[in-house]
Amino acid sequence: NAGVMQNPRHLVRRRGQEARLRCSPMKGHSHVYWYRQLPEEGLKFMVYLQKENIIDESGMPKERFSAEFPKEGPSILRIQQVVRGDSAAYFCASSPSATTGELFFGEGSRLTVL
Amino acid sequence: SQKIEQNSEALNIQEGKTATLTCNYTNYSPAYLQWYRQDPGRGPVFLLLIRENEKEKRKERLKVTFDTTLKQSLFHITASQPADSATYLCALVTDGGATNKLIFGTGTLLAVQP
Repeated sequence: NAGVMQNPRHLVRRRGQEARLRCSPMKGHSHVYWYRQLPEEGLKFMVYLQKENIIDESGMPKERFSAEFPKEGPSILRIQQVVRGDSAAYFCASSPSATTGELFFGEGSRLTVL
Repeated sequence: SQKIEQNSEALNIQEGKTATLTCNYTNYSPAYLQWYRQDPGRGPVFLLLIRENEKEKRKERLKVTFDTTLKQSLFHITASQPADSATYLCALVTDGGATNKLIFGTGTLLAVQP
């Protein structure tokens, strides 16, 4: 049973470009969470999605960031017009239901903005 | 304001000793608290979960306590080994456990010397 798969593992973008990060949850998991980890900082919650629905996006910046989790395919975190401050590790986690407690994390996607 | 604080300094201990890590929180009422391990360049890995009505939880060499009066959790690793060296994160679930949305502390870096 494959774990949470994130790709790309490393992504380099120039300022103003778009970044798309993909997350395939564990098999049987329909709940996906995105977190951002800035250098020397903790994991910050961004958004919680269930298939086709955004449940909680209270941690998402109001502009340039969006997330989706379509009926088919991976969850996508999209960052438009990237700036240097977007450079971070972005982690995806999944769970089989809303209240099981434990989250299963992927290995992260590391975005570097030049 | 709401805060989750972990030992900001790295914890250095000798192999075989017990490591004790602290997590203090302010202005939260967590339904439960979790501990994760994170190795450099990797995603967090779940270790233990303790609910608000539980005082202590054990798993092999790991022990977690949860004091809702002190608003504190302690995480112990007994008979520590160099392989236990990693960053340890505490995380709270604060919405009554209605979702798995976790709020993380900044983590404590543990170094176990052989």
